[in-house]
Amino acid sequence: GDSVTQMEGPVTLSEEAFLTINCTYTATGYPSLFWYVQYPGEGLQLLLKATKADDKGSNKGFEATYRKETTSFHLEKGSVQVSDSAVYFCAFNYNFNKFYFGSGTKLNVKP
Amino acid sequence: SQTIHQWPATLVQPVGSPLSLECTVEGTSNPNLYWYRQAAGRGLQLLFYSVGIGQISSEVPQNLSASRPQDRQFILSSKKLLLSDSGFYLCAWTGGNGDTQYFGPGTRLTVL
Repeated sequence: GDSVTQMEGPVTLSEEAFLTINCTYTATGYPSLFWYVQYPGEGLQLLLKATKADDKGSNKGFEATYRKETTSFHLEKGSVQVSDSAVYFCAFNYNFNKFYFGSGTKLNVKP
Repeated sequence: SQTIHQWPATLVQPVGSPLSLECTVEGTSNPNLYWYRQAAGRGLQLLFYSVGIGQISSEVPQNLSASRPQDRQFILSSKKLLLSDSGFYLCAWTGGNGDTQYFGPGTRLTVL
């Protein structure tokens, strides 16, 4: 069935390190892909999205490229900051009603 | 611009008591509305979604129910809370094209 698989956390990095959080999806349709970020005690915020193959979503230094051939949407950032510490969720949608979310990856960035 | 409100922000309730959580959206019409639950340190579990007034789809059978009495109002209810109902409840909406989902600030429910 439809699902999202993202790497288990927590991921612990030092400030200015390179970040990759892997995400793959299984969908019977042709989905739009999303990354959301959740800071402690808050709701989810849209970080970036891509709606078709080879599109690159980007925001606040984060990037992810829609790879249809590998059904992946990995999140990357070249230099993380302490303020990036949060939980990151990969998600997709293709039928306008239901969204499918991964289980979330907690990122801890140490100074 | 669109905004989404949830209240209360936090709630502590005894086992067996009733529950009512409210979500309202401003700045849009005929949104799709969603209720999710997030257990501590866990991912999102879709509970209910609604594509219009009075139209509710249930994803997980449990002692919770949802209602949509107005276009931009979505209510989550229970007649008798269980300990397992504790969690962080998130309301979300999507617009007419259904492409992107936007979340409210959440309600932290603790059942004792």
